[in-house]
Amino acid sequence: DVVMTQTPVSLSVSLGNQASISCRSSQSLLHSDGNTYLSWYLQKPGQSPQLLIYLASNRFSGVSNRFSGSGSGTDFTLKISRVEPEDLGVYYCFQHTHLPFTFGSGTKLEIK
Amino acid sequence: EVQLVETGGGLVRPGSSLKLSCATSGFTFSNTWMNWVRQAPGKGLEWVALIKDKYSNYEANYAESVKGRFTISRDDSKSRVYLQMNTLRDQDTATYYCTRGDYWGQGVMVTVSS
Repeated sequence: DVVMTQTPVSLSVSLGNQASISCRSSQSLLHSDGNTYLSWYLQKPGQSPQLLIYLASNRFSGVSNRFSGSGSGTDFTLKISRVEPEDLGVYYCFQHTHLPFTFGSGTKLEIK
Repeated sequence: EVQLVETGGGLVRPGSSLKLSCATSGFTFSNTWMNWVRQAPGKGLEWVALIKDKYSNYEANYAESVKGRFTISRDDSKSRVYLQMNTLRDQDTATYYCTRGDYWGQGVMVTVSS
């Protein structure tokens, strides 16, 4: 199975500053069809996960442009610029290139 | 508007069975791959199962932790996806989400306890 290693486990960021989360996979997530099936989700307290980024770097509809995804192969990063109070929650990376699909263990973002 | 609504959760004894249902609307269900994802209390997300569409022969795939005990199925005429859970264990206690990847349901709680 593909292991998704997310760092850091938790992150405390002042309002207006930038946050960065890393996700590394144990195998390349480049699919034979040419796509890289790596997504980023945010789960706010008491809510279902919500999609932020798909195919490693594409913002989902309605997602603020403060969120950006980058990376390829096995190394991926989610950046949140100008952190706002509504950004708090747990962030997960998720690979659906290889079955069984797997999530990272999550990064809890707290606001200082 | 895309909607996914899970039902069928509850409190059951270890070794028993339960069937979850996810009613969907607002999109073309028949050509959409559907997943179940779960989250144990206070823990992270765990992918459980995938069912592909008719063009992929409704192929199903499972996490190792549920293989042989859980069965995912779908009824395209009703735009519903199901998760039949057999031989339930304490470790299956979780909120179960139905998702197509971009949209998620609100989740349904399953508690396995004696």
